[in-house]
Parts: sequence; structure tokens; C-alpha cells
Amino acid sequence: DTEVTQTPKHLVMGMTNKKSLKCEQHMGHRAMYWYKQKAKKPPELMFVYSYEKLSINESVPSRFSPECPNSSLLNLHLHALQPEDSALYLCASSHSSGKETQYFGPGTRLLVL
Amino acid sequence: AQSVTQLDSHVSVSEGTPVLLRCNYSSSYSPSLFWYVQHPNKGLQLLLKYTSAATLVKGINGFEAEFKKSETSFHLTKPSAHMSDAAEYFCVVSDKFGGYNKLIFGAGTRLAVHP
Repeated sequence: DTEVTQTPKHLVMGMTNKKSLKCEQHMGHRAMYWYKQKAKKPPELMFVYSYEKLSINESVPSRFSPECPNSSLLNLHLHALQPEDSALYLCASSHSSGKETQYFGPGTRLLVL
Repeated sequence: AQSVTQLDSHVSVSEGTPVLLRCNYSSSYSPSLFWYVQHPNKGLQLLLKYTSAATLVKGINGFEAEFKKSETSFHLTKPSAHMSDAAEYFCVVSDKFGGYNKLIFGAGTRLAVHP
């Protein structure tokens, strides 16, 4: 089973709202990733967690706050977002943070009004 | 640093004809290379990967890719296109970044399949 699940599928929020995106995998993977994908563009890496510790933050604004409560779960907390943050947010996981294949979830389509 | 160039932003083929999506990479060492497919409003699905074993890599749905080190290419092919192949395709190289795996994406190729 190479499934990564993400909830919700769609999210509409105002600029003053607080919301969270959730990602889950049960493949025993120890590395998890958040990507942001704008329309007609490739995904851009935001964060990397390795063994539940934040390893890479690609200079992401503080209005995005990741959290890894355990090895199967990855959250992305959103607060005071801007309309330009509207995008598809993809979660991925891999066995570890080496050269292994990353498996992607279906994404959360976020619209910020 | 590694990089990936997808030579065509759009490719259009007729159903039943061959598909060729071109990808060139730059790498200072033996790379891991991937092709992912993304259908509209969906996540990315792994088609195939090259990790220095056989140079001809077979993937899902009849796709395959050939690693050519001398040409620094990793082109994706399929003998006969199906309507369901219409999607965005990303060529990806894996780069080491502070000991971690970072995927470097090409800009993508949109494949259209006509009846």
C-alpha cells in the first residue's frame, strides 16, 4: 500500500481564519514533506520532517506552521493567510530522507479570500 | 546543483500513436531520476524511477524511460497513447540537500491525446 491521505480535499478560508491541513500515511515512512503547487507550475518544497523533527524549512512565511505529532501524521497549521497563498498543498512521504521515492497524497485545494 | 529541463511544454498526439516526452538533466554524480504524472486536480503519481540499475526502466500503464548518461537524457515513451494518458508529466531528479533528499522538478509537459 503506497497511500498518502490528505484532508480536507478543498478548503476556503478568510484572511483572518485559522485552519489546519492534515496528512496521514501508514507505510512506516519516517520522512514527510509539504509542497505548495500553484496552477500550471511544478510543486515547490516547503518543509521536510525526518523522524518527527523539522529538518528543512524552505524560508516559508511564519503564517504556515507545520507539526508532526507522530511518525504517521503531518499537519500544516494556517493563520492569517493571503490570497496569493491559494494553491494545491501536497503532502508526500518516503522511507527515509535519502534517495528513496516520495509518494504523494491527492492534495488539498486551498482558496484564500 | 542538479537541474532538469523538459524540452516540450505541450505535446499533442492521436490516440494509438507513440508518445515521447523529453527530459534532460544535469548532475555531478549518479542521479536518481523519476517521472511523475498528475491528472487534473489530482496529486502526483509515480510512473517510474531510475536508480542506477538497468538503463531501460519500465513503469506503470505501459510507460518506460531510458537513461542515457552520454546524452544526460531520461526521455519517457509509450508505444500507444490512450485517452486516459492526458495529463501533466514531471521529470524529476533527486538531489542531496544537507543530507536530505530534495526533488528537483522540471517545468512539466502537458500531454493532450486526441481521438
